[in-house]
Amino acid sequence: DAGVTQSPTHLIKTRGQQVTLRCSPKSGHDTVSWYQQALGQGPQFIFQYYEEEERQRGNFPDRFSGHQFPNYSSELNVNALLLGDSALYLCASSFGSLNTGELFFGEGSRLTVL
Amino acid sequence: AQSVTQLDSQVPVFEEAPVELRCNYSSSVSVYLFWYVQYPNQGLQLLLKYLSGSTLVKGINGFEAEFNKSQTSFHLRKPSVHISDTAEYFCAVSEDSWGKLQFGAGTQVVVTP
Repeated sequence: DAGVTQSPTHLIKTRGQQVTLRCSPKSGHDTVSWYQQALGQGPQFIFQYYEEEERQRGNFPDRFSGHQFPNYSSELNVNALLLGDSALYLCASSFGSLNTGELFFGEGSRLTVL
Repeated sequence: AQSVTQLDSQVPVFEEAPVELRCNYSSSVSVYLFWYVQYPNQGLQLLLKYLSGSTLVKGINGFEAEFNKSQTSFHLRKPSVHISDTAEYFCAVSEDSWGKLQFGAGTQVVVTP
């Protein structure tokens, strides 16, 4: 059973460009959350998708947007990249609430903005 | 607003010695509490979680944590560490059950022979 898979694993962009990161949730999971982990820091919640809608959002600007597809996979888009967007972007999937399940994390997509 | 403080950024420990990682949080409501481990170049793996009930929570790989409501703490312990426990450990809290977690800055555990 494949866990959470993310692509690409590494990528380099320049300031002002746009990037799309992809996530396939663990089999049976219907909820996808995205986190940004800057170097030396803990992950920060970006947003969460459930039933193809954004259910919750963290304190991130509108440059960060996402999408969830009918097969539960998800994309994270970041426009007008800044140097400060350089980070490891983690996708986590789950089914139901944390009372009965848990978040499973992928290995992340490492974005470098030059 | 909730916040999480991990009081130690790095904890060196000898193999087979005990280790305690400290975590304090602030929140105006009841919270769910978690400890995750991150090995180099990997995602996060859940060690244990506190939802309700017994304040002593046992997790994987011999780890346990104790929830102290009055001190708003959730410290992680292991009685005897192995070299393979070398990793980054994150404490996290959530005010809801849907997965919006607030993480601490992490504690790097380095186990030496």
